[in-house]
Amino acid sequence: DGGITQSPKYLFRKEGQNVTLSCEQNLNHDAMYWYRQDPGQGLRLIYYSQIVNDFQKGDIAEGYSVSREKKESFPLTVTSAQKNPTAFYLCASRDRGISSYEQYFGPGTRLTVT
Amino acid sequence: LAKTTQPISMDSYEGQEVNITCSHNNIATNDYITWYQQFPSQGPRFIIQGYKTKVTNEVASLFIPADRKSSTLSLPRVSLSDTAVYYCLVEGSGGGADGLTFGKGTHLIIQP
Repeated sequence: DGGITQSPKYLFRKEGQNVTLSCEQNLNHDAMYWYRQDPGQGLRLIYYSQIVNDFQKGDIAEGYSVSREKKESFPLTVTSAQKNPTAFYLCASRDRGISSYEQYFGPGTRLTVT
Repeated sequence: LAKTTQPISMDSYEGQEVNITCSHNNIATNDYITWYQQFPSQGPRFIIQGYKTKVTNEVASLFIPADRKSSTLSLPRVSLSDTAVYYCLVEGSGGGADGLTFGKGTHLIIQP
């Protein structure tokens, strides 16, 4: 089955620690995205990548970092500089072609930092 | 970037048709209109996408007037399982970030 996987589903960390969230896709999509969702809110774009070895900041990139060494993988690191890291994190991918705009989302990782 | 405006919440009953309207006054020529559905603690799921006039698939219809400044998602004969948040996006092509702003969406509540 093609799709996007995120792991783990739940993640707990102590304040001051960096943590890396995994996102893998086998849809052969060039573009990948990371969003953050807080309770009762919409999704906010953290980082996105349109091609391997290239990525751009989204609306709320401060305190986060990403890499895109492989087409299939787009891990997100939540650093200790992120002041309020507890949130629901969603990864998505989509085709770069002009005929397709649909984003495919993973199941999400719920991060709790105490 | 085209900004979208949609109602914060709506209520309806099982078996009814539900119409959710989204305003996007600044839509660009190459932008498409996309609707997503999200259940609690899950990623959003694509429902339907269109450019103009009417698009229909197995779960919904999307009506877009000629000026494209608004769109209406129509859900026929809703059931309790359609209770969810619905997001309207105006997206550009090419895999970039144009239009990737998910507002608070419309929280649709279906009652028996």
